[in-house]
Formats: sequence, structure tokens, C-alpha cells
Amino acid sequence: KQEVTQIPAALSVPEGENLVLNCSFTDSAIYNLQWFRQDPGKGLTSLLLIQSSQREQTSGRLNASLDKSSGRSTLYIAASQPGDSATYLCAAPQGGSEKLVFGKGTKLTVNP
Amino acid sequence: NAGVTQTPKFQVLKTGQSMTLQCAQDMNHEYMSWYRQDPGMGLRLIHYSVGAGITDQGEVPNGYNVSRSTTEDFPLRLLSAAPSQTSVYFCASSYTTPGRTFGNTIYFGEGSWLTVV
Repeated sequence: KQEVTQIPAALSVPEGENLVLNCSFTDSAIYNLQWFRQDPGKGLTSLLLIQSSQREQTSGRLNASLDKSSGRSTLYIAASQPGDSATYLCAAPQGGSEKLVFGKGTKLTVNP
Repeated sequence: NAGVTQTPKFQVLKTGQSMTLQCAQDMNHEYMSWYRQDPGMGLRLIHYSVGAGITDQGEVPNGYNVSRSTTEDFPLRLLSAAPSQTSVYFCASSYTTPGRTFGNTIYFGEGSWLTVV
């Protein structure tokens, strides 16, 4: 059974800092992994989708990596801004099935 | 392009009442799913569908029914509401199932806040 863990549960940083959010998963037989952002009272918005063949995916100040052998993915945010404050979730498929398993998220606060 | 639309946004039910949460997508997506999000529990899969006429159970299906008569719509029915079903419900869709060799971006609705008293 796939289990997805995100550490830390919460993170507070000053504006301008570069930061890394971590995601680990137990079942490495996955073809892709996805990172989402959730603002308070809102739905989830997909940030980056990494295929297992890609190992890295970039969008603006965001860079996500995927290491299946170690069961880890990281989301790197460069030059953080107060507008980046949100909860970030990662999700991985369960063993090639039709089910997606989410981590509980990391709540990020970027202080001006 | 509306994306994934959920209705209602807020609902208060009495214990034992039934209701249907509506979900519609206009992207011709095969895969649709329902999650509930609770503090400390994260997002948990209730039911999902890989195409019209095909549904299956997720992690927490008890007390919920689904059907998929069209590609666009995937309603979630609460049969007899209980206080334990107080939660935020999210509908999501994607072009193909998450486990496929080449995954696709998953789109979420804005959520439905349900309180059962």
C-alpha cells in the first residue's frame, strides 16, 4: 500500500529565502508524481507533474525532482515571496492502480 | 473553459438526511474522483471512476454512493448523513488514470463544505 509522507508539517521562512519541501513514498513502482498547492478555503491547484523518466520538472521559481530509487521527491522554491504562503501537497499513484495517495501537506508561511 | 465545477459550496444537513454533491467537468476527462479532507487526516479517496458506467471504491467509501452515467458528471450521494461525514469534499478529474505510464495533470473543484448536525 502506498504511503506518502511530507516533512515538515509546517515551515516559516523570511521573504527571499530559498527552500525545499520534502515528500517520501513507500511504493516506488510509480510512473509519475504530482505537486499541488492549496490556499485556505480553496481547492488544489497542480503545480508540477513529474514523469518517472524525467527526474526533474521546472516551472518559474519552482523545481521538482523525483528519485524513485530512494522513494523521495523534493519541491524547491527559489526566492520565496509572501504570495507563496499556502499548503503544498504531493501525491503518488498506488502501485500502478487508478488510486492516488496524498501526503498531508506542508504549510508554508513566507514572512515579509 | 469552466474546469471542474462542484455544487453546492456549503450545505448543512441533519443526521439521517440524504443529499447529492454534484460534480461536472467540461474537459472530456476519463478519470473522475471524490475526496474528503479532514484536519489531521489529509485527503482521502472516497470513490473514483475511469469512464462512463465504471466506478470503484477508494479508501473510505462507506456511507457514499456514486454513479457515472455521462463522461461529464460524477455525483456523490450521501445515503443517510452522519456527523462523521462533516468534512470538505473535493471532486477531481484528469484525462487518464493516475497510474498510467504517462500521467496527466489533475484538476480539482473548489470544494463543498458539508456540516451534519
